[in-house]
Amino acid sequence: GAGVSQSPRYKVTKRGQDVALRCDPISGHVSLYWYRQALGQGPEFLTYFNYEAQQDKSGLPNDRFSAERPEGSISTLTIQRTEQRDSAMYRCASIRSEKLFFGSGTQLSVL
Amino acid sequence: GENVEQHPSTLSVQEGDSAVIKCTYSDSASNYFPWYKQELGKRPQLIIDIRSNVGEKKDQRIAVTLNKTAKHFSLHITETQPEDSAVYFCAANTGGFKTIFGAGTRLFVKA
Repeated sequence: GAGVSQSPRYKVTKRGQDVALRCDPISGHVSLYWYRQALGQGPEFLTYFNYEAQQDKSGLPNDRFSAERPEGSISTLTIQRTEQRDSAMYRCASIRSEKLFFGSGTQLSVL
Repeated sequence: GENVEQHPSTLSVQEGDSAVIKCTYSDSASNYFPWYKQELGKRPQLIIDIRSNVGEKKDQRIAVTLNKTAKHFSLHITETQPEDSAVYFCAANTGGFKTIFGAGTRLFVKA
């Protein structure tokens, strides 16, 4: 595709529900990153993949957060039992030659 | 792990003046330093980057400098224009594995 695509663009959910956020990276980009960006803050690293392998998940806040990229292309970030503090913009990025290309993000609101 | 400090958090300049944003990093293994611009409601986009084997890089009105010894790098914008108003993020990358961002500088350019 022309750029990194994320869906949904907005997600409103009730506390305690599970959510799944999807990322479709730029075609041919091997590495895919997930970031979280709170309002007025810089992107916070969560996890990244090379192909289908999750290389580093040190930024995931706790075990309610998980991510997968089973076929080395589309990735899903899942948050179980959502809490209000999970509300943020979740951005996916694919990378080429160390340059990050961000998607438009999913704005998650947990009520 | 890597930690990136950025200042100032807010910067207001008159159109035509110069703006300077400064960042420091902690991990001496970091070797790639990108700068991203984020306009209101949009995704961060790369505007310039510098690698650790270079001390300075310029692209039209923007330039970056890097001091490896002191572990700090700076973004310089000359002849600022209202369209330069945005949030700017510095970042550091340790060998292509993960990019750590600063907290951002909100730049206002007054016409």
